[in-house]
Amino acid sequence: SAVISQKPSRDICQRGTSLTIQCQVDSQVTMMFWYRQQPGQSLTLIATANQGSEATYESGFVIDKFPISRPNLTFSTLTVSNMSPEDSSIYLCSSDRDPVTDTQYFGPGTRLTVL
Amino acid sequence: LAKTTQPISMDSYEGQEVNITCSHNNIATNDYITWYQQFPSQGPRFIIQGYKTKVTNEVASLFIPADRKSSTLSLPRVSLSDTAVYYCLAGEGGKLIFGQGTELSVKP
Repeated sequence: SAVISQKPSRDICQRGTSLTIQCQVDSQVTMMFWYRQQPGQSLTLIATANQGSEATYESGFVIDKFPISRPNLTFSTLTVSNMSPEDSSIYLCSSDRDPVTDTQYFGPGTRLTVL
Repeated sequence: LAKTTQPISMDSYEGQEVNITCSHNNIATNDYITWYQQFPSQGPRFIIQGYKTKVTNEVASLFIPADRKSSTLSLPRVSLSDTAVYYCLAGEGGKLIFGQGTELSVKP
């Protein structure tokens, strides 16, 4: 099964600053996905990241606010820009379906608090 | 990507069997049904996945009727550590759309 790690695991940031979250997968995957989970809520898909092309954003999310990089098949970053307290959430990444186990795996999440 | 509907919460006691039913009336032909478990401050963890009939693994069973418009996750003999949120998803994979999930509370 794929192992996914995220950095940082948590952070407390000031309003107006930006934070870049890293996601590392231990195997090559075609697609990676970024989710947001607001307190007490379910997961909401932010965008899909393919290597070599721009990320595809879901309704309500824009590239200027959540720029994403996908430099290779095992790594992606999500930046939360110009943060406000409303951005306080857990941000999670997941990988594409594993061809061996036919399962999608999730990272442990990054807990962001914006003051 | 089919929308799913689950009970918001369920209560159970240790040692009981818990069945969580999920409705996915608009499921597409190629969609699989997948269940995830999430503990507080952790990422979702895969539990089980199926297409039709019954699937069983070391953790749970998944029952899917012939019309595939619903599915039931069965957790045998739950323990306190099974207290978590359980998500049912219907899709081909890749872009997973999460519903509200079912918050299961297991009491001693």
